Amino acid sequence: DTGVSQDPRHKITKRGQNVTFRCDPISEHNRLYWYRQTLGQGPEFLTYFQNEAQLEKSRLLSDRFSAERPKGSFSTLEIQRTEQGDSAMYLCASTDRTAGELFFGEGSRLTVL
Amino acid sequence: GQQLNQSPQSMFIQEGEDVSMNCTSSSIFNTWLWYKQDPGEGPVLLIALYKAGELTSNGRLTAQFGITRKDSFLNISASIPSDVGIYFCAGQGTGGFKTIFGAGTRLFVKA
Repeated sequence: DTGVSQDPRHKITKRGQNVTFRCDPISEHNRLYWYRQTLGQGPEFLTYFQNEAQLEKSRLLSDRFSAERPKGSFSTLEIQRTEQGDSAMYLCASTDRTAGELFFGEGSRLTVL
Repeated sequence: GQQLNQSPQSMFIQEGEDVSMNCTSSSIFNTWLWYKQDPGEGPVLLIALYKAGELTSNGRLTAQFGITRKDSFLNISASIPSDVGIYFCAGQGTGGFKTIFGAGTRLFVKA
């Protein structure tokens, strides 16, 4: 399978713990996006990388959130000191185009108890 | 910030019926996308629209990019049970780096 891969698919954690999600984009896709989706809502933009450069961050991305894409390939999204409000599906998408389709992974579902 | 208003929120239809849903915005977009999402999965692209007035089909699905560039609609003809899911519209501005999604239309099809 050469689609966007996300790991883990599910994560249950206690409030205050740190969690990290990994995204492996489609090979050679230079653009990578993180979105957050809560129940009953559409995906909300969090951040965007072009190669290894993080070019845009949403105001939704508080200082407890950090994303990296160190070599312009895979990306990680870390949430420190998780809160119950962080419970959501975290979606990663990639593309090699300047406009048009974003290819999404299956998401990482976070539950904060 | 930019927002997309997607309607209806949900639809309950009989198998074989046609479906229409739409998306409007106060902002102009250069690209409109329609995605479908099944439970526990990521969104999958159905149709991409790149030009105002463009009408594009994908099997039983037809979508149009509004002339004002502030709206789009998606039609599904002769619905079948596997059409069940959440349909999202999404708009892209210049450069396409930030894709804005609507809140989705939940489609239920009764066999």
